[in-house]
Amino acid sequence: SQQGEEDPQALSIQEGENATMNCSYKTSINNLQWYRQNSGRGLVHLILIRSNEREKHSGRLRVTLDTSKKSSSLLITASRAADTASYFCATFNQAGTALIFGKGTTLSVSS
Amino acid sequence: NAGVTQTPKFRVLKTGQSMTLLCAQDMNHEYMYWYRQDPGMGLRLIHYSVGEGTTAKGEVPDGYNVSRLKKQNFLLGLESAAPSQTSVYFCASRYKGWGTGELFFGEGSRLTVL
Repeated sequence: SQQGEEDPQALSIQEGENATMNCSYKTSINNLQWYRQNSGRGLVHLILIRSNEREKHSGRLRVTLDTSKKSSSLLITASRAADTASYFCATFNQAGTALIFGKGTTLSVSS
Repeated sequence: NAGVTQTPKFRVLKTGQSMTLLCAQDMNHEYMYWYRQDPGMGLRLIHYSVGEGTTAKGEVPDGYNVSRLKKQNFLLGLESAAPSQTSVYFCASRYKGWGTGELFFGEGSRLTVL
């Protein structure tokens, strides 16, 4: 079964607006990762946040982690049309050997 | 560096046929993975390998076999293809490390089983 679940499944916004995606997971984690997938392409790693971190920034990306609620959020500020993609959260299995992905959030940014 | 390369990129099979997907990485990564992606289902782990000569089952291993004879290659086989195996298959790799490290993905192999 999938470890992480993203919410919402789909999100449509205008250029310049902020986009927030949420991820909930089931078991304790060492870290949580976010990936982006452009249409027809492979996934690309965006950011990793460790369990002892509460917030992390990378350019226009801001990731938060609340281990007490077993949830994370990805904020993309000042969205651009090029941000149109699917976004996935992922956590490691209990053995620490494999990443398990959620079903993803599809973001559409219109100009 | 090419990163992670998957071949073929597209393939159409008839039910019952067999085929092998090849994944090659040139980053000297220990760990390699095969995922399948279906609409509305996200990515599901099929099999993975933590080193040359080792393989392990993921979430949806039935109907697939894998082999890791060389560190840089990870093969995914379908012995008797079924329409339910129509999907996009992604290979990924990462450095060795417990519970950490990012995955590097290939561009995917789109398989249709008629």
